[in-house]
Amino acid sequence: GAGVSQSPSNKVTEKGKDVELRCDPISGHTALYWYRQSLGQGLEFLIYFQGNSAPDKSGLPSDRFSAERTGGSVSTLTIQRTQQEDSAVYLCASSSTGASGNTIYFGEGSWLTVV
Amino acid sequence: GQSLEQPSEVTAVEGAIVQMNCTYQTSGFYGLSWYQQHDGGAPTFLSYNALDGLEETGRFSSFLSRSDSYGYLLLQELQMKDSASYFCVVRSGNTPLVFGKGTRLSVIA
Repeated sequence: GAGVSQSPSNKVTEKGKDVELRCDPISGHTALYWYRQSLGQGLEFLIYFQGNSAPDKSGLPSDRFSAERTGGSVSTLTIQRTQQEDSAVYLCASSSTGASGNTIYFGEGSWLTVV
Repeated sequence: GQSLEQPSEVTAVEGAIVQMNCTYQTSGFYGLSWYQQHDGGAPTFLSYNALDGLEETGRFSSFLSRSDSYGYLLLQELQMKDSASYFCVVRSGNTPLVFGKGTRLSVIA
């Protein structure tokens, strides 16, 4: 696609339920990132996929969070047993390799509210 | 590990010049980027410095000193639409991009 696409754009869920957030990166981009941003705060790194390498999961805040990337393209971030502190916007970004990989392109985010 | 420091808020007058600083600590440093984020929007790329010196793109300039682990973003001829958060971002090897906490710029008339 022309840009990074994320869905759903908004999600309200009850505490304890599982949610899945989807990211469709720019075609051909090998790197994919998930970040989380609470209101008025900076971007918190969650997970990073680069090509066929093992993902860097060092930013995942707990084992309730997981992500996968199928076929080197679409990625899904899953949050199990959601808690109120999970409420945030979840931003996906992608980039190509080499010098042009210095620029990453963000989607519009998935706004998650846990009630 | 990696860390970045940015002032949390800056206020400047329309038409003026503002400089937003960033200091960082990292190993295997490749370069420093700057991103702009308006309220409710996604971050967008502004500039990237891999070498020491000043990079200019229109009203925006970005500076890097690798020896001082320091950079800044300079905005000239400030406009109201420049009110946003500005993040410095470190690239180090194959590690994920690390964002600073951002500087919130408020442009006033």
